[in-house]
Formats: sequence, C-alpha cells, structure tokens
Amino acid sequence: DTEVTQTPKHLVMGMTNKKSLKCEQHMGHRAMYWYKQKAKKPPELMFVYSYEKLSINESVPSRFSPECPNSSLLNLHLHALQPEDSALYLCASSQPRRGGVVGELFFGEGSRLTVL
Amino acid sequence: AQKVTQAQTEISVVEKEDVTLDCVYETRDTTYYLFWYKQPPSGELVFLIRRNSFDEQNEISGRYSWNFQKSTSSFNFTITASQVVDSAVYFCALSEVDTNAGKSTFGDGTTLTVKP
Repeated sequence: DTEVTQTPKHLVMGMTNKKSLKCEQHMGHRAMYWYKQKAKKPPELMFVYSYEKLSINESVPSRFSPECPNSSLLNLHLHALQPEDSALYLCASSQPRRGGVVGELFFGEGSRLTVL
Repeated sequence: AQKVTQAQTEISVVEKEDVTLDCVYETRDTTYYLFWYKQPPSGELVFLIRRNSFDEQNEISGRYSWNFQKSTSSFNFTITASQVVDSAVYFCALSEVDTNAGKSTFGDGTTLTVKP
C-alpha cells in the first residue's frame, strides 16, 4: 500500500467549479510536491513545499492554488480550470535535501481529473 | 541544464526474456543523483533505485540490475527473466545536488510490455 494517500481518485468538474485535491503522508517527510502528468508523458513539477513553505512554483497558472496546512497535508485548490488541465495529478513527498543528499520521491496513486 | 534521454519509447518482450532499458543523461554538475521509477497502470510511481554520481558500483536487487557508467553518462536498467508484472512505464530521473528531489528531470519513459 502506498504511504502517500490522495483523494479523490477521480474527479470530474466543469470549468466554473471549485474543487480541491488532497494529499496526506505520515512518513515524517518535510518536502511535498504536486506534479501534473498527461498521458504517455513524464510527470511535470508544479509546486514544491519545503517545511510547509512554498519553495518552488513552476510558473503554474493561478487557477491552481496549493496549500500546505501542516507537515502531513497538501492540498491543491482548483478553480476555473480549462479542458486542457485534464490530467493525472500526482502528489509526492521526500526528505528535503540535507548535507548534499537528495532523497527519493514517494508518490501517491494520483487524482485523475477531467475538466468538461 | 540537465537532460535525460530514454531513447526506447516502447519495448515488448515475452516472459522470461531479459530486457535492458537505456538511460542517458546530461548535466554540468559533478555531483548529482540518478533514479529509476516504475509506473504501473494504477498510476503511482514507485521508487526503484537511487545512485549518486560518486558511486559507480553496479547494483543488483533480485531480478533487477543497474549499470552506471559515468564515462558514457548512462544509467541502464536490466530486468532478468522478465515477468508479466514487470509491465509498466519506467522513468529514469536526474537531480542535481543544489536542488531537492522535486526538481528531478525525468526522461520521457519507456513502456515495457511483457507478454505471457
């Protein structure tokens, strides 16, 4: 079983809806990430939180709004999305870089989003 | 800038065959990390191995083995006696030390199909 839990697994929303994706991990990791993955493509980094602070925003449109309420939770708030935003949204966690050591990513199963 | 190339888009083998997935990378850094991840149809990326640039020892884990060659900037992955459960998309990724794992650059992935 994955140690990173994402809900919902599937989401269908209209372009005027507001919805949220949720991610939870209990491995004590202090870095959490959102990735977007289109079919037959590699994951694309969207946001990185390190110690609950946003450290990287890869020029993501403002209709995607991340939130990290605490060290275990990560949300992605969605508003006024476009059909091209339909994709698999993956959450991941890791230990932050420390002493020159880069940790591996632990991924959730993803939330498959369809925007109509 | 860093780059990861997985030249094989799709590979199909029959069960029990050995198969090698190629990964070639580019980086200007002398210190970096390489990763392999497996993405089965369920969607979750599963970490397989991490290797830092100073450790060129090859590694074997059961039917899996990895060959890291700095001289050719390659980090190839071999599955011995493949099984149907090995069918998945495999991603090679590179992280430079001055970033955290979330800034990994992923290759485009290789889709492996193992037929019974």
